[in-house]
Order: sequence, then structure tokens, then C-alpha cells
Amino acid sequence: EVQLEESGGGLVQPGGSMRLSCAASGFTFSSFWMHWVRQAPGEGLVWVSRINTDGSYTDSADFVKGRFTISRDNAKNTLYLHMNSLRAEDTAVYYCARYRNSYEYIDFWGQGTLVTVSS
Amino acid sequence: QSALTQPASLSGSPGQSITISCTGTSSDVGDYNYVSWYQQHPGKAPKLMIYDVSNRPSGVSNRFSGSKSGNTASLTISGLQAEDEADYYCSSYTSRSTLVYVFGTGTKVTVL
Repeated sequence: EVQLEESGGGLVQPGGSMRLSCAASGFTFSSFWMHWVRQAPGEGLVWVSRINTDGSYTDSADFVKGRFTISRDNAKNTLYLHMNSLRAEDTAVYYCARYRNSYEYIDFWGQGTLVTVSS
Repeated sequence: QSALTQPASLSGSPGQSITISCTGTSSDVGDYNYVSWYQQHPGKAPKLMIYDVSNRPSGVSNRFSGSKSGNTASLTISGLQAEDEADYYCSSYTSRSTLVYVFGTGTKVTVL
């Protein structure tokens, strides 16, 4: 059974940093591109960042470029999102998601972890 | 970030059919057959319902179907059931310079 379990969310002050983790199981993690998607309270889904299978290529939405970094450790079957210079508008549930690269769609989502940026 | 446009809400009675539209541009929906649809119940993670415009993953009811015409994709739910009440989001691969993947604004489906 495919499982994605995010962790690391919580309350952080504006300007602070946080690292989210996503533990993958039930599939060959190193064979899949992975994405982070976020959802602010009461709002829609917004794509944040992606990474290829071996971590050599990453891409991010403009609103997080220079602040967020996606990475992965295939030996640990874990995806990360390193977030710096956090702002109130970064408050959201962050989902990690498995991506079908050849067909361009997300086929499985984690349950999400809530990040709250507030003083 | 410019999202794909969906109606904010739709409703229908049990057994009826409803169609959710998803309007993009020639840089996303219109140029690629990479439209997918997700169902999200409150407090839950999204679930894939349709991929590549009209393909259903294993385990998804055949009451859900997808199509596309020009810059607009559609999700039809036939034989509406109480369990279909949820938020629905479309998404598309995009060639916009600042984006890779774009989601719709979301549609709240209510079963009357």
C-alpha cells in the first residue's frame, strides 16, 4: 500500500525556518518524481515545488524561490522541504505528492502537515 | 499565481448528473492532454479521480468521466450520490514560464 506521511509542521514566527519531511513507503520511492503542494485554510490547492528521481533537478513556484528548497534522500525514502524566511501567507497545509512524470499527474497524496506562521 | 477557472459551487439531487468546468489557456489545458481531477472531502487529502483528460484510475467509480474541448476541461458526475459531496479540483501541466503545474480554483459540490 502506497503511503506518504508528512511531519515537521507546527507554529513558527515570521522570518523563521522549518523543515518538513515526507516518509514514503509501499513503492519504489527512487523511481518517482515528487512534489509539494500547499493549501491555505479555506483556500485551493497551489503547486509549490518538484524534484526528479535522483534529486539532480528541482523547480519551484516563484513565490517560494530563494526561500524554500526541496530535496530527497532515496536511501531513507524521504522527501524534504526546507523553508526559510517564512511569512504569514505561507500558512497552509503542506502535502507531499507522488508524480507520474511521463503522464504529468499526481496520483497519490499524503495527509498533509499544517504550518502556521504567526507571532 | 493564475489558477484554472472553475465554478465556485454546484449542486444536484441524488441520481442527477452534474458537470464541472475547468477553463484554462492555450498554455495549459488547451495545449496538453494532461488534465487531471481530484476529489477532496473536508479535512482529507485530495484523491485522484481522472487523469490525462479522461482516464479513470483503478477503483474510481465509472460515474466519473472527463473530457476536454479547446481550453476547457470538464468532469461529469453521473448518478449523483451523497458521498460525492466534496470539493473538486482540476489541474493541468503548463508551459507558463513561472509554473510547472497549475490547479483550478475548486468547486464545492453539494448533494441536495
